[in-house]
Amino acid sequence: DAGVIQSPRHEVTEMGQEVTLRCKPISGHNSLFWYRQTMMRGLELLIYFNNNVPIDDSGMPEDRFSAKMPNASFSTLKIQPSEPRDSAVYFCASSWGKGYTFGSGTRLTVV
Amino acid sequence: GNSVTQMEGPVTLSEEAFLTINCTYTATGYPSLFWYVQYPGEGLQLLLKATKADDKGSNKGFEATYRKETTSFHLEKGSVQVSDSAVYFCALDSGGGADGLTFGKGTHLIIQP
Repeated sequence: DAGVIQSPRHEVTEMGQEVTLRCKPISGHNSLFWYRQTMMRGLELLIYFNNNVPIDDSGMPEDRFSAKMPNASFSTLKIQPSEPRDSAVYFCASSWGKGYTFGSGTRLTVV
Repeated sequence: GNSVTQMEGPVTLSEEAFLTINCTYTATGYPSLFWYVQYPGEGLQLLLKATKADDKGSNKGFEATYRKETTSFHLEKGSVQVSDSAVYFCALDSGGGADGLTFGKGTHLIIQP
């Protein structure tokens, strides 16, 4: 198994632009999670899905953030418009009830 | 709500020294407890876990015991190596893998030769 796959690994964008981060969970995992990591706030859970359905998005910082999971093998996290304070590493993780597997993350820099 | 508190560091030790990184938690019910490790520029890797009181998780010479009476899950290693330099995160899961992990802030460990 290739693990949880995130793309891109690095993204540099200008303030105001739309950014889309992508995640492919491990096949057979029925839960998917998006986390954000910053020096100041550590690892924050943004949103999670069970069986492709969003369960809790209370961690999404603002309406500029949105996430979708159109099928069991793909999820996106979109920021529109992006701001410099969105600069962080964004991790996707998937789970099947026995443990969590994390992707390598997307390092987002908004200039 | 759930929370995890751990020493933030950085913690600097010499090679072959004994390591302890403290972790305490607050949670409802009976959570599972985890230690994750993050090497520079990489994602989080599961280091060890324990799912019930008095369980001991162990891996690569690291150990941690689930202490319900003190709500703690301290990470220990008898003799650290330079290659152990990384950031270590304590985490808990109270939802059986369905509603995410709650993480501590992470402890940056630096091992000097």
